[in-house]
Amino acid sequence: GQQLNQSPQSMFIQEGEDVSMNCTSSSIFNTWLWYKQEPGEGPVLLIALYKAGELTSNGRLTAQFGITRKDSFLNISASIPSDVGIYFCAGRGDSSYKLIFGSGTRLLVRP
Amino acid sequence: DGGITQSPKYLFRKEGQNVTLSCEQNLNHDAMYWYRQDPGQGLRLIYYSQIVNDFQKGDIAEGYSVSREKKESFPLTVTSAQKNPTAFYLCASSTLAAPKTQYFGPGTRLLVL
Repeated sequence: GQQLNQSPQSMFIQEGEDVSMNCTSSSIFNTWLWYKQEPGEGPVLLIALYKAGELTSNGRLTAQFGITRKDSFLNISASIPSDVGIYFCAGRGDSSYKLIFGSGTRLLVRP
Repeated sequence: DGGITQSPKYLFRKEGQNVTLSCEQNLNHDAMYWYRQDPGQGLRLIYYSQIVNDFQKGDIAEGYSVSREKKESFPLTVTSAQKNPTAFYLCASSTLAAPKTQYFGPGTRLLVL
């Protein structure tokens, strides 16, 4: 079945540093989504990508849909303490309603 | 405000008991989904529904049941057949037409006594 590899599993960084995380798929996707989840809450959509090569920003966050359609990355610039949480990538293949989720990247920010 | 609500926030189940988790949305979305989340893992699809009175099994449907009698509501029942029900349960909804982006509720944490 389809699998997503998300890395790194966790990051512990200093406030102000930039962060990069990525996901790779064993198959082609036509949608990539990035969510953030805080403890005890549901995931909140950060960025949605629908076209290969697409580069989209949301404030300090930037995500790209890889041109091979099998990967995506999320960058966070100038991290702040409220960036703490678990970041999930999710992808969907053609003609499918089913989202495949990565296992998440846990981000901790040291003030 | 438009959104997805789940209740209760916490739920305790005794051995051999069925429990039902509520999910309601006022986003006018046709599709609704239930996911299970275990610590340190991604989300796994339990059931989904694209239209009232119709639903399909996801990857881990055994021990669960759902109904879709109204467009706004998609309750999930965790039956006694689910031997390891302790988890965080998330409901989501989306449009049927593109982009079909899924939006999530706040979740229900189920604990077994």
